[in-house]
Amino acid sequence: LAKTTQPISMDSYEGQEVNITCSHNNIATNDYITWYQQFPSQGPRFIIQGYKTKVTNEVASLFIPADRKSSTLSLPRVSLSDTAVYYCLVGGRNQGGKLIFGQGTELSVKP
Amino acid sequence: KAGVTQTPRYLIKTRGQQVTLSCSPISGHRSVSWYQQTPGQGLQFLFEYFSETQRNKGNFPGRFSGRQFSNSRSEMNVSTLELGDSALYLCASSHHAGIQETQYFGPGTRLLVL
Repeated sequence: LAKTTQPISMDSYEGQEVNITCSHNNIATNDYITWYQQFPSQGPRFIIQGYKTKVTNEVASLFIPADRKSSTLSLPRVSLSDTAVYYCLVGGRNQGGKLIFGQGTELSVKP
Repeated sequence: KAGVTQTPRYLIKTRGQQVTLSCSPISGHRSVSWYQQTPGQGLQFLFEYFSETQRNKGNFPGRFSGRQFSNSRSEMNVSTLELGDSALYLCASSHHAGIQETQYFGPGTRLLVL
C-alpha cells in the first residue's frame, strides 16, 4: 500500500484558496486517491476521489499530475468551518480490509 | 440517501462493565467496518463484516467483538471495559468489500470509561 506524506499543519485566512499536497511516490497503477475531512469528535467525511488529471465537485478540486506521485486538494474560498484535519489515502483498503490513515493535515482557518 | 448512523453518540461506563454500540450503514451497503480512534494511536481498524460474516480483524483483544445482521446493521461489543478503551468508535460502510470501494463513516460513538 502506497505511503503518503502530507504537511502536518497549515494556516489560512477566510476567503483564501487552500491547497494541500500529498506525496505518494509508490502509488500502484490501479490505486485511486481519496481525501477525507474530519472535525473533532466526528467521523471522517469523504470529500473527493480521483485517479488522474482533475476532479471537481461542489466542495473541492483534486489535481493529479501525469506521474500520479502526488495529488493536491484545493479548497476554494475557505471559511472558519473548514478548520479540520484532512487525510489523503491511496489505494483504498489493504489486503487486511482496513483503510490506512496517515497523520493528516490540520488546517486552521483564521478570520 | 441517509448516511451512516451510530447509536448512542455518547456513552459513559465504568471499568469492568460491557458496552454495545450500534451502526446502521447507508441503504444498500453490505460492508461495515469498525475503527477505534484515540489521540495517541489515530484510527485503528477493529473488524469488517460483509454479508453477516467477519472478513477481516484487526489487532485487538478478544474483549472486542462484533456481528452483522441480515439487514447489514452491525453491532460491536466490548466486555470488561478498561480505562484505555476510552475512544471514539467509528463505523464505516461501503457497497461491497472491494479494496477500492469508498468507505463512508458515521458520526462515531464517544465512549468514556471511568
